Amino acid sequence: DQQVKQNSPSLSVQEGRISILNCDYTNSMFDYFLWYKKYPAEGPTFLISISSIKDKNEDGRFTVFLNKSAKHLSLHIVPSQPGDSAVYFCAADQQGGSEKLVFGKGTKLTVNP
Amino acid sequence: ETGVTQTPRHLVMGMTNKKSLKCEQHLGHNAMYWYKQSAKKPLELMFVYSLEERVENNSVPSRFSPECPNSSHLFLHLHTLQPEDSALYLCASSPRGLAKNIQYFGAGTRLSVL
Repeated sequence: DQQVKQNSPSLSVQEGRISILNCDYTNSMFDYFLWYKKYPAEGPTFLISISSIKDKNEDGRFTVFLNKSAKHLSLHIVPSQPGDSAVYFCAADQQGGSEKLVFGKGTKLTVNP
Repeated sequence: ETGVTQTPRHLVMGMTNKKSLKCEQHLGHNAMYWYKQSAKKPLELMFVYSLEERVENNSVPSRFSPECPNSSHLFLHLHTLQPEDSALYLCASSPRGLAKNIQYFGAGTRLSVL
């Protein structure tokens, strides 16, 4: 039973446009959410996170939005660049900061020049 | 030197072989993790070590045996694996004790079991 779901396996956008990656979760005990980016032949790298006490966190071109009532979060990339082409993983952490991160399957983003 | 280093990067082994994966972190973290990533599946947590003690064993078969001799090194000993164990094995570390768990990953070992 997947607790973190990324229902779109892939997304293709034009350079300069907005990329929106979505993530849904089922466990109401999750209170901290992270996005990781993974290039081929590399490990996932931390991108941005958000605590459940916030509904938005912004870092440069990357913004994460959290809708707790819908158990949904999204990552917005504006403007998208070809170097953003990668697999993006959503992850969630439970209250109390356990060692266990629960990951989604990932969404492959392709940004076309 | 990158933060988390995994060796080897690629490994091909037969079902009767014994091999080990190595992970080393240079970040001063005190928690380390092994994950398995199979095709079209989420990252699956296998083991967690915190301050060199195993705090999580996520129902992993005994043919996978972790070892954490110190806070900078983590091994995964493999023996009598099955073809379905072929996957990308990722190591991660984090500064346990902080409220929020940001993990830093190595590049992984791509394992093929023949």
